[in-house]
Amino acid sequence: QVHLQQSGPGLVKPSQTLSLTCSISGDYVSSNSVLWNWIRQSPSRGLEWLGRTYYRSKWYNDYAVSVKSRITIDADTSKNQFSLQLNSVTPEDTAVYYCARESYYGSGSAFDDWGQGTLVTVSS
Amino acid sequence: QSVLTQPPSASGTPGQRVTISCSGSSSNIGSNDVYWYQQLPGTAPRLLIYRNNQRPSGVPDRFFGSKSGTSASLAISGLRSEDEADYYCAAWDDSLSGWVFGGGTKLTVL
Repeated sequence: QVHLQQSGPGLVKPSQTLSLTCSISGDYVSSNSVLWNWIRQSPSRGLEWLGRTYYRSKWYNDYAVSVKSRITIDADTSKNQFSLQLNSVTPEDTAVYYCARESYYGSGSAFDDWGQGTLVTVSS
Repeated sequence: QSVLTQPPSASGTPGQRVTISCSGSSSNIGSNDVYWYQQLPGTAPRLLIYRNNQRPSGVPDRFFGSKSGTSASLAISGLRSEDEADYYCAAWDDSLSGWVFGGGTKLTVL
């Protein structure tokens, strides 16, 4: 049974950096058979995929075009967790942020485990 | 503005069958599998359908997914009050090199 536990501040000032962590139990961040994602949800933008990290003999990252210049997703194998950093935030980055595991289902993949969600408000 | 298009709302009475549509393009639904997620109020989304029409263990066979061309549908038969939730479709987009979602459909059980 996989459990993803999110942590991080719920309030970030404009122009600063949003930082969240997702701690994994029941799986390994360095597993060769899954990918680790960040997804956010807001009334104005709906569900929006932000990016992912995964290990296949070395670490890889994929980022959404909309945030590519501002985002970093890192893995920490010693703590079995991965993190999201989003720089230069604006009020438009206000959303509920989710971490999610992406597992393979045959030739496809799906988000089959999610964190509890963290409401992050960007405001001074 | 979501890349995949869903109706904002749908409704039905207990026992009825309802269908939720999801429209995309050749770069997403037209060339990749469609996934459906159910989001109950105040909770994270849950995987409902994978690879167009497959159900994870624990998902009742009342939920049925299908895909044709650049569109997909989720059908729910024998509607129950606990089906009241938001439903989202998703697919990988080859042009964007990322996952895209529909705007979500709020299902109300009358």
